Amino acid sequence: GAVVSQHPSRVICKSGTSVKIECRSLDFQATTMFWYRQFPKKSLMLMATSNEGSKATYEQGVEKDKFLINHASLTLSTLTVTSAHPEDSSFYICSASMSQGPYGYTFGSGTRLTVV
Amino acid sequence: DQQVKQNSPSLSVQEGRISILNCDYTNSMFDYFLWYKKYPAEGPTFLISISSIKDKNEDGRFTVFLNKSAKHLSLHIVPSQPGDSAVYFCAASEMGNTPLVFGKGTRLSVIA
Repeated sequence: GAVVSQHPSRVICKSGTSVKIECRSLDFQATTMFWYRQFPKKSLMLMATSNEGSKATYEQGVEKDKFLINHASLTLSTLTVTSAHPEDSSFYICSASMSQGPYGYTFGSGTRLTVV
Repeated sequence: DQQVKQNSPSLSVQEGRISILNCDYTNSMFDYFLWYKKYPAEGPTFLISISSIKDKNEDGRFTVFLNKSAKHLSLHIVPSQPGDSAVYFCAASEMGNTPLVFGKGTRLSVIA
């Protein structure tokens, strides 16, 4: 089945630094990737939709300049948290989509970001 | 405005009994629904899905029921096993390559 690899699984960084999270589709081409953030005791909130070769579409309330998304190829999307603050600490999950269907949405294993 | 709602944050069920997790939605454009299981610090794992043209889909111990008129779906797990203990998310999408909209999740605890 479709596999999405997300790295790193955990990262701790200092306030003010930037962190890059990678999301790779290993055995399929993902024209669209989605980035979610999970807050404690809350749902997975969509941050942005990333289309290969074009600019990401951000959801309302998500700062484009803070959460930089690049989808340079059909198998790789990256999320860079710039000038990280403690409130950015969260669980970030990517999802790659081939098409709608039972396996149309495949999730990465997530990245736990802690900003100290 | 929450388009997908899981009103029960938690559910406890005895091993061997049926677990019923409920989900309501408000967006009538949703035509595809999925259930995911999630352990802490891991990505969601796909369980079962249903399209709006069906009202039931079964896969082993998992059955999803869809009531379009009520905009309600439910996930039945029978028999429940301790390994089923996790957070279950209901998700929905519109036709096409659109992102999933998730409910807040229900934490299922299956007690041996």
